[in-house]
Amino acid sequence: EVQLVESGGGLVQPGGSLRLSCAASGFTFSSYSMNWVRQAPGKGLEWVSYISTSGSTIYYADSVRGRFTISRDNAKNSLFLQMNSLRDEDTAVYYCARDTAYGDSDPNYFDYWGQGTLVTVSS
Amino acid sequence: QSVLTQPPSASGTPGQRVTISCSGSSSNIGSNTVNWYQQLPGTAPKLLIYSNNQRPSGVPDRFSGSKSGTSASLAISGLQSEDEADYYCAAWDDSLTVVFGGGTKLTVL
Repeated sequence: EVQLVESGGGLVQPGGSLRLSCAASGFTFSSYSMNWVRQAPGKGLEWVSYISTSGSTIYYADSVRGRFTISRDNAKNSLFLQMNSLRDEDTAVYYCARDTAYGDSDPNYFDYWGQGTLVTVSS
Repeated sequence: QSVLTQPPSASGTPGQRVTISCSGSSSNIGSNTVNWYQQLPGTAPKLLIYSNNQRPSGVPDRFSGSKSGTSASLAISGLQSEDEADYYCAAWDDSLTVVFGGGTKLTVL
């Protein structure tokens, strides 16, 4: 059974940093591209970032480029999102989602999602 | 303001057919495939339709998708109470980002 479990969320002050993790199991993690998608309270879905299987192709939403860094550790079946210079508007539930894109190609569609981890940016 | 435009709400009675539209542009829907996600209250999103009109295993055939030009639609026939959820369209954009619609809240009356 495919499982994606996010962790690392919490309360952080504006300007602070946080590192999210997503532990994957039930599939060959190194064979799948991955994404982070977020949802602000009461709002819709917003794609955040994408990383290909090898990590050689990475994309970011304009709203986070230069502040967030996506990475992965295929040996540990884990996906990460380093979030720096956090702003109030980054408050959201952050989901990791498996992508069906092959190799280092562009994002395709997200076939499995985790349950999410809540990040709250507030003073 | 979302790049893809969806109606904020839709409704229908049990057994009815409802459609949800998703409007984009030549840089996203016009040149790439459309995917749809269903988010039941209090849960994570779930893939509903991929590559414009393909259903993942386990998704009832009451759900169908279509695309024409820079617009796409999700149709739900034989509406059931458990279909009450938020529905999102999404597509790859030539600006190298994934874009979502603002979501449509479906109410089963």
